[in-house]
Amino acid sequence: DGGITQSPKYLFRKEGQNVTLSCEQNLNHDAMYWYRQDPGQGLRLIYYSQIVNDFQKGDIAEGYSVSREKKESFPLTVTSAQKNPTAFYLCASGDSPYEQYFGPGTRLTVT
Amino acid sequence: AQTVTQSQPEMSVQEAETVTLSCTYDTSESDYYLFWYKQPPSRQMILVIRQEAYKQQNATENRFSVNFQKAAKSFSLKISDSQLGDAAMYFCAYFDSGGSNYKLTFGKGTLLTVNP
Repeated sequence: DGGITQSPKYLFRKEGQNVTLSCEQNLNHDAMYWYRQDPGQGLRLIYYSQIVNDFQKGDIAEGYSVSREKKESFPLTVTSAQKNPTAFYLCASGDSPYEQYFGPGTRLTVT
Repeated sequence: AQTVTQSQPEMSVQEAETVTLSCTYDTSESDYYLFWYKQPPSRQMILVIRQEAYKQQNATENRFSVNFQKAAKSFSLKISDSQLGDAAMYFCAYFDSGGSNYKLTFGKGTLLTVNP
């Protein structure tokens, strides 16, 4: 089936540890995105990538890093420098920038 | 910077009735897109409807329609014949098609409850 997968659904980490969230798509989309959602808030863009081996910072990139070595994969690393990493993380992809389709999300809890 | 405002944190509707969710936005651009996304309890974001600013005709998708007032910068969502499955968080979003930043700007959402 075509779609966007994010794993795992729930992730728990200790403070000070880096953690990598997975995002894979088999829709052959060029662009991929990472958003963060906090309670009572809309989504905020962390990073996006329009093509392989290229990515740009969004509004809240500090404390995060990404890579885009393959068209279908766009992993997000939450580093220990991210002050408030506990959140819901959503990955999206699309052929056009005004068409973004979302994965099921990963809930990250850091204690 | 573009902003999106949803002034109704919560709304409720009786099953089979009609409800309208409000959204206003602020932009100096003339070419953009507006969206309504639905986030059910599963938390996956689902695109409900999209409106291109240069199109005067309001978009419709089955029971979902929008009232796009470009001069007033208003973009409301009407859900007709509400169903229990419509219960969700609804987000209004904006995309500047003339910009270089591929960012969707989201409002804070409206939680819709559907009463049987």
